[in-house]
Amino acid sequence: QKEVEQNSGPLSVPEGAIASLNCTYSDRGSQSFFWYRQYSGKSPELIMFIYSNGDKEDGRFTAQLNKASQYVSLLIRDSQPSDSATYLCAGGGTGFQKLVFGTGTRLLVSP
Amino acid sequence: GAVVSQHPSRVICKSGTSVKIECRSLDFQATTMFWYRQFPKQSLMLMATSNEGSKATYEQGVEKDKFLINHASLTLSTLTVTSAHPEDSSFYICSASSGWGAYEQYFGPGTRLTVT
Repeated sequence: QKEVEQNSGPLSVPEGAIASLNCTYSDRGSQSFFWYRQYSGKSPELIMFIYSNGDKEDGRFTAQLNKASQYVSLLIRDSQPSDSATYLCAGGGTGFQKLVFGTGTRLLVSP
Repeated sequence: GAVVSQHPSRVICKSGTSVKIECRSLDFQATTMFWYRQFPKQSLMLMATSNEGSKATYEQGVEKDKFLINHASLTLSTLTVTSAHPEDSSFYICSASSGWGAYEQYFGPGTRLTVT
């Protein structure tokens, strides 16, 4: 069974620090990976996706993918209290295949 | 871009009645749409995947006769919860993908269903 694992947290970081969120996956056939942010009571919002090994940067966010280790991470620089949310990692295959979501990591950024 | 809407955002219905939830992709053609359910403090649970013009593919344990899904066009999918019961009360979220080569899913704002 394809699985995506995340630590449920909460991960607590002070404002201005770097938050590091991690995710591992079991399916070596996964080609694409996604990070979603979900505020309490709201639906998930796509933050970043990454398909290739290495780093991908977008503003304060950096996604990292290591296919050999089956590991995906999301770094949030200069964390803000507004970043406090649950972050969902998801992995996908090719074509119309559904995404496999992790259970999410709750991030708390304290002022 | 990549905006998905859902209607209604909140609905309260009586036990035994049916409720229809609409999901629309506003600025792109959604070849594939997905329906999720999320209970409080739990993770997303995929209910079904639907491709335009085809029958939906339901996940194991999801009753297809209870949760009717129609994906009649590239911008609209509907989920009908038939004969709703209090245990069906949940947060229902749709997502849409533009299809082959674009695997990212964009989520609608969700519909909170309460069955009394």
